[in-house]
Amino acid sequence: EVQLVESGGGLVQPGRSLRLSCAASGFSFDGYAMHWVRQAPGKGLEWVSGIGWNSKNIGHADSVKGRFTISRDNARNSLYLQMNSLRAEDTALYYCAKDIGGEPHAFDLWGQGTMVTVSS
Amino acid sequence: EIVMTQSPATLSVSPGERATLSCRASQTVNSNLAWYQQKPGQTPRLLIYGSSTRATGVPARFSGSGSNTEFTLTISSLQSEDFAVYYCQQYNDWPLLTFGGGSKVEIK
Repeated sequence: EVQLVESGGGLVQPGRSLRLSCAASGFSFDGYAMHWVRQAPGKGLEWVSGIGWNSKNIGHADSVKGRFTISRDNARNSLYLQMNSLRAEDTALYYCAKDIGGEPHAFDLWGQGTMVTVSS
Repeated sequence: EIVMTQSPATLSVSPGERATLSCRASQTVNSNLAWYQQKPGQTPRLLIYGSSTRATGVPARFSGSGSNTEFTLTISSLQSEDFAVYYCQQYNDWPLLTFGGGSKVEIK
């Protein structure tokens, strides 16, 4: 089955760190760019980070630049998001999403998401 | 950062009618634009990429058009399952991708 399964979310205090993971299955993971997209409760979609198939092409939204780092392990079919210096405004459902190609374009497969709540 | 502005914020339409949603980019994105549908409690679904190419399995009643800064998503005859929030997204300005704020299509 083609799917993405996120994990690693939870409740964390402001200023702390969290690492999200996304396990991919059912497709050739190393052939596609991957992304993290978040959605705050009741709000719209916000692209967070993206990474090309071979990790050479990486991008982050201005809102997370310098705090979040995206990475991937093609041998493990896994995508990661290291989130440091977390803020209340980072509270959101974080989706892992597969790109339609090897470099960043549009997203044709989404996981169910993992919730991150930043609060003291 | 390219700002994507969607209009209207909410569109009230009767089943069977046509719905037209707009997306405007603050600078050109060529044809590097996608549309997504999100129903309550569900994950987003890719409808259109490359401004006008339907994704796999998307019904023909969905069509996309436009280029540079002005884009349109048209649903030719609304079905009950089409009532949802629709987002546009540009991928021309890598390494910064951006979504529009969304347009909600509701039952009139």
